[in-house]
Amino acid sequence: DSGVTQTPKHLITATGQRVTLRCSPRSGDLSVYWYQQSLDQGLQFLIQYYNGEERAKGNILERFSAQQFPDLHSELNLSSLELGDSALYFCASSVGGLAAYNEQFFGPGTRLTVL
Amino acid sequence: SQQGEEDPQALSIQEGENATMNCSYKTSINNLQWYRQNSGRGLVHLILIRSNEREKHSGRLRVTLDTSKKSSSLLITASRAADTASYFCATDAKDSGGYQKVTFGTGTKLQVIP
Repeated sequence: DSGVTQTPKHLITATGQRVTLRCSPRSGDLSVYWYQQSLDQGLQFLIQYYNGEERAKGNILERFSAQQFPDLHSELNLSSLELGDSALYFCASSVGGLAAYNEQFFGPGTRLTVL
Repeated sequence: SQQGEEDPQALSIQEGENATMNCSYKTSINNLQWYRQNSGRGLVHLILIRSNEREKHSGRLRVTLDTSKKSSSLLITASRAADTASYFCATDAKDSGGYQKVTFGTGTKLQVIP
């Protein structure tokens, strides 16, 4: 158990819908990262927040947005869902803000299926 | 695009044998990390090697880094069935805003046959 929690575990929804994925980092970790993992794209970094502020951005679509709240939990919002958004979404956390220098602890993931 | 690319894509060995997987990357890095992922689960950090280090050990793991060739290798000695997993290298790169981010390679799928 990494100490990172993600809810829900599974999500099935229809195209065009909007969903929110939630992540609680390990106690004491200030950084939260979001990743998308699909069979054809591999593990893609989406976005990182550090202590409430956006720190780094990856291949995040404009239809996706995220935020980190004062209690450090984070939410990833996915809107206008398409079939291709079906994937495993992971959240990870680390103590520091520099990803290359910090071990990331991954949550169990949310499996999103868009029908 | 991926910063790191692992090779081979898949590897199948007998229990007790050594497993070697390689990672090549494109731009200079500060550090390189290796992670393991059991099927459908979150990644687990294995080891971090700094750009000024050439070799690092952790238990049955040995990681080397050759910055001149922009490559790293992960050796698992005396493999066990429990080592069956996908292994990813992670390297740092700059995002469009100049901030540092970590990108993961495509992974090597290791199967250890009992």
